[in-house]
Amino acid sequence: ETGVTQTPRHLVMGMTNKKSLKCEQHLGHNAMYWYKQSAKKPLELMFVYSLEERVENNSVPSRFSPECPNSSHLFLHLHTLQPEDSALYLCASSQEWRTGTLSNEKLFFGSGTQLSVL
Amino acid sequence: DQQVKQNSPSLSVQEGRISILNCDYTNSMFDYFLWYKKYPAEGPTFLISISSIKDKNEDGRFTVFLNKSAKHLSLHIVPSQPGDSAVYFCAARGRYSGGGADGLTFGKGTHLIIQP
Repeated sequence: ETGVTQTPRHLVMGMTNKKSLKCEQHLGHNAMYWYKQSAKKPLELMFVYSLEERVENNSVPSRFSPECPNSSHLFLHLHTLQPEDSALYLCASSQEWRTGTLSNEKLFFGSGTQLSVL
Repeated sequence: DQQVKQNSPSLSVQEGRISILNCDYTNSMFDYFLWYKKYPAEGPTFLISISSIKDKNEDGRFTVFLNKSAKHLSLHIVPSQPGDSAVYFCAARGRYSGGGADGLTFGKGTHLIIQP
């Protein structure tokens, strides 16, 4: 039990479908993140939420829409995706988003959702 | 351009021997480095870290070495055990990223295979 739970574990969707990924953290953290891991590529940060407010959006296409209703839950809404969006989507949390230059926050990851877009 | 490079996609080591995983970086503003370990069907988990003010950090069987002049760090696992078989990600954070977890730049990972 990592404290960060993601559902579903696997998802296959067509390009015209709308689906949502869900993440829940039980660690009492204030910051939550969506990462994308494509085959043979580094982990890429997509979105950051701190205290339910979006603080970063790393040039992610609008077909990915995050939602953070409270500090424990994070969603990623998907619509009209492309086959190249197939990847492992990882949710993570940390105690805080930024606390100063001396802080060394660590990420706690969920198991990810393996997404295939047909 | 990749700022954190793990040039070995995979590494095979015999059980009981030393495993050495390498990581190179290009950004001289990086000041904190981490290693994450990932098993199949699980998310990455934090393993060990090192600040740029140190050149070595040890935790049990795991030691991370940092060579700032060469912009190189390595993770040593000794002795290697079958449970160490996983993908290992190197990550780095810049000096002015506010100390936040969002400032991490990851490498592509190295798949370590421990042979019995």
